[in-house]
Amino acid sequence: NAGVTQTPKFQVLKTGQSMTLQCAQDMNHEYMSWYRQDPGMGLRLIHYSVGAGITDQGEVPNGYNVSRSTTEDFPLRLLSAAPSQTSVYFCASSTGQGWTPLHFGNGTRLTVT
Amino acid sequence: KQEVTQIPAALSVPEGENLVLNCSFTDSAIYNLQWFRQDPGKGLTSLLLIQSSQREQTSGRLNASLDKSSGRSTLYIAASQPGDSATYLCAVRKGNNDMRFGAGTRLTVKP
Repeated sequence: NAGVTQTPKFQVLKTGQSMTLQCAQDMNHEYMSWYRQDPGMGLRLIHYSVGAGITDQGEVPNGYNVSRSTTEDFPLRLLSAAPSQTSVYFCASSTGQGWTPLHFGNGTRLTVT
Repeated sequence: KQEVTQIPAALSVPEGENLVLNCSFTDSAIYNLQWFRQDPGKGLTSLLLIQSSQREQTSGRLNASLDKSSGRSTLYIAASQPGDSATYLCAVRKGNNDMRFGAGTRLTVKP
């Protein structure tokens, strides 16, 4: 059972470039979410989805887009990368509502120069 | 706005010691609290999940407690081992769009 898979593991972008971070889960989880982790800070929620076709904003959504066309996949798009988006990005999923544990991927380390 | 604080930020102990990691939060209206372990360059691994109606959860050498009224949780690690060295994070969940993480406690267990 692969769990939550994120690709790529590392990425370097120039300012203004766009890219998509991929996230896939094979646990049939309804809930999926994206976080960023910055040094000295806790993880912060970017966007989340409670099912296919449904997405919503988290705490820090600016500069990012998401879509959820299938239960398994939840890609995160950076529209025009900025140095402030240099971070480690994590995708997480869970079943049902707020009482179930989150399962995390191994992260994507993004550097924007 | 929920604030989650973990103290200390770093902790170094000799192997075999019992230790306690602390997590405090400002809003007691939560669904649950979850403790995670993060190894360098890796994702988060869920250790224990405590529902708001529960007082504690145990898994092996780990025991987590929750006191909602005081906004506190502790993670107790018994008989620490070098393999326990990692960063430990707590997170409180209030809803689908409201999960707040602490910055973590970096634990080093010396052989």
